[in-house]
Amino acid sequence: QPVLTQSSSASASLGSSVKLTCALSSGHSSYIIAWHQQQPGKAPRYLMKLETSGSYNKGSGVPDRFSGSSSGADRYLTISDLQSEDEADYYCETWDSNSRVFGGGTKLTVL
Amino acid sequence: EVQLVEAGGILVQPGGSLRLSCAASGFTFSSYDMHWVRQAPGKGLEFVSAISSNGVTTYYANSVQGRFTISRDNSKNTLYLQMANLRAEDTAIYYCASANMYWGQGTLVTVSS
Repeated sequence: QPVLTQSSSASASLGSSVKLTCALSSGHSSYIIAWHQQQPGKAPRYLMKLETSGSYNKGSGVPDRFSGSSSGADRYLTISDLQSEDEADYYCETWDSNSRVFGGGTKLTVL
Repeated sequence: EVQLVEAGGILVQPGGSLRLSCAASGFTFSSYDMHWVRQAPGKGLEFVSAISSNGVTTYYANSVQGRFTISRDNSKNTLYLQMANLRAEDTAIYYCASANMYWGQGTLVTVSS
């Protein structure tokens, strides 16, 4: 079963950009992942699916400021022009035939 | 508009039972696998259980295997989670989620004496 590794925290200034990383475990570098955002006190919200090629498919209503990219076993979520409402936990996720697997989440602080 | 609305979360004693439900609307429920994902207080997301679109195949996390049962009624567009022999470590917000990446708002289950 794949394992997803995320940094526990990140911070960036209002109006700047930040790139969050999700690393797939050895032997699972070809897996598609999804990114989810969880604002404080709210349910998770699907942001995008991200493939090995770097192509991504965003959910409905996700701002253009959110984009994805890939390099090897690493998957990235880039948020441009950071807004205060982007302060949230960000989870990457993958899946196989039996279950969904989540990374530990990155808490993003907007300074 | 897609909606997933969970219900049934309450305070229950250790060893007790509970059934959660999730009412779906706005998409073809019977076409998608469905999942339960939980989040303990202050912790990350944890897969609990999954069920195939036709209800034939089910999967469980090791932590709930043998205690939880997932089911669905496609005629009612509703997903269920029957929880038995509950433990303190089952305390969490339980989210219903669809394979096409929609999430419910969650329902809180608290296991405590």
